[in-house]
Order: sequence, then C-alpha cells, then structure tokens
Amino acid sequence: SQELEQSPQSLIVQEGKNLTINCTSSKTLYGLYWYKQKYGEGLIFLMMLQKGGEEKSHEKITAKLDEKKQQSSLHITASQPSHAGIYLCGAEMNNNAGNMLTFGGGTRLMVKP
Amino acid sequence: DTAVSQTPKYLVTQMGNDKSIKCEQNLGHDTMYWYKQDSKKFLKIMFSYNNKELIINETVPNRFSPKSPDKAHLNLHINSLELGDSAVYFCASSASGVTDTQYFGPGTRLTVL
Repeated sequence: SQELEQSPQSLIVQEGKNLTINCTSSKTLYGLYWYKQKYGEGLIFLMMLQKGGEEKSHEKITAKLDEKKQQSSLHITASQPSHAGIYLCGAEMNNNAGNMLTFGGGTRLMVKP
Repeated sequence: DTAVSQTPKYLVTQMGNDKSIKCEQNLGHDTMYWYKQDSKKFLKIMFSYNNKELIINETVPNRFSPKSPDKAHLNLHINSLELGDSAVYFCASSASGVTDTQYFGPGTRLTVL
C-alpha cells in the first residue's frame, strides 16, 4: 500500500463546482507538497504546507494541513477547465535510504465545460 | 526560460539497447533527482545527487546509472533496456536537500519495444 493515499483517485466535475481532494499519510507529516501535472506534461509546484493547521491559497486553490489527522486537503473553488490535470501530494518521508519526497497515487481531475 | 530541462522528450527503442536521458537545471540548485512514473501514474524516486555526490539510491537495477558531471546536470544512463523500463522519467532539482521545494522537468516518455 502507498504511504500516501489520495482520494478520490479520479473526479469529474461540472465547471463552476467546488471540489476537494484528500491526501492521507500513514506516517507523521513534516512537510506536505501539492503538485499539478497536466496530462502528458511535467509537474508544477502549487504549494507547500509545513505546520499543523496551516492553510495556503493560490488563486482558487486552497490547501490545508491537519497534522493530527496526518492529512491534507486541496480545495478548488468554482472549478474551470484549466484546473484539469493530475493532482499529486508529496511528503517528506524517512526510509532506509534517508529522507525523500514520497508521492501519493494522484487524483485525476476532469472539468466539464 | 526553462528551469529544469530534459532531453529527449520522447524515446522509443528496442529491448536490449542502451540509452541516456539528459537533465539540466539553471536554478543554481545543489540537489538533483530522478523519478520514475509508471503506467499507473505512481511517481517514485530513483536517485538523488547533492553537489555531484549520490545521496539517495532507491532499489533500482544496476542497469540504471546516474552521472552528474557538475551540479547543474544529472544524466540517466540505462543499459540493456527491458519492457518494464517503459515509463515517464522526471528530473527534478531543489536548492539544497529534500526539505526544499523540488522543481520538476517536463519528463521523458520512454517506450521499450
């Protein structure tokens, strides 16, 4: 199983609707990153959360970190077709090789015009 | 101005061949990474280099050999390509270590026939 689980795995929403993507960790979160990957392209950094309760916004995207629940959520308000893509959460995790950025399985978002 | 660039973007080759993927970053970062994204879109780290020195080497076959001629470049050489090597390979860089935000290249889609 993944150390970082994202839900839902895929999401289709009507333009203008709000949506939330969740990222749950099996370990304590020390830093949580959200990236967006447009289909067939590279990853674009969205934001990073470091402290429990921290909330950041960029345009219509808001991310929160709930350390106690070892969870982060990404909320998009009034979704637009340009929001479509794969959203990936990443967290610093420690394994035998040291600290590394581990990613969730991604959430595929489609926004219907 | 491209921050992290990779070449080629697409690579189609036969089983058993040897190929290389190049990565360059112009951000002045000290740490560079190679990730593999499989067909299910799971993104996993392969290697990490800090100032030309290997610091993370996940369980990757010996056929994969990263080479860092200087801290702005991290190339990935793959020997004796196998069908299972087909994936998208992403290069990334961060200012110093894994605690810094990583910036990703556009990816190289490798198809082994």
